[in-house]
Amino acid sequence: DTGVSQDPRHKITKRGQNVTFRCDPISEHNRLYWYRQTLGQGPEFLTYFQNEAQLEKSRLLSDRFSAERPKGSFSTLEIQRTEQGDSAMYLCASNSEGLRIYNEQFFGPGTRLTVL
Amino acid sequence: GQNIDQPTEMTATEGAIVQINCTYQTSGFNGLFWYQQHAGEAPTFLSYNVLDGLEEKGRFSSFLSRSKGYSYLLLKELQMKDSASYLCAVRDMNTGFQKLVFGTGTRLLVSP
Repeated sequence: DTGVSQDPRHKITKRGQNVTFRCDPISEHNRLYWYRQTLGQGPEFLTYFQNEAQLEKSRLLSDRFSAERPKGSFSTLEIQRTEQGDSAMYLCASNSEGLRIYNEQFFGPGTRLTVL
Repeated sequence: GQNIDQPTEMTATEGAIVQINCTYQTSGFNGLFWYQQHAGEAPTFLSYNVLDGLEEKGRFSSFLSRSKGYSYLLLKELQMKDSASYLCAVRDMNTGFQKLVFGTGTRLLVSP
């Protein structure tokens, strides 16, 4: 069990550019979540996958945001035409029903996005 | 909707005990989690409550009262490494499958 990994850890981009982040969940986990966290705030839910199906999306996820999990393993989060307000830490988490008593989510280290 | 409140910041002394409170309002309560988050790092799971009462895990305990919409995290024998943010999160099955709704976090500073 190597934990949840995310890549890149840091991304600096100019306003208007597109960026893509990757998340590799814990291998036996079929559920994957994306959250966004700004300074001094708790994580805010963005979207959730069970296997390859995207089952829930927050209204925070504007049409500039898209997430995929094509084979039910890793996931990507793409932000098109980035805006300065997109600057945040993007956290990925995973879990699986029945593997743990509490079904707690395990978080990755995050990708810190800075939009100039 | 959901509303989760916790103090923004607390300070305590090494070796002391601190209690971090969390109040919540939600319609489909299905558990409350506490996570610890050091600056710049991922949140890590500390505790889970779904029934009323106290859950103890070493130096950390968490309490839940569902009727009052209230939880607290109790940290005993504080150590410098406990300086971190503590996030209260509620699982609300009415608003989605498994998402967690987090409070803003309580930043705890432990001084010598």
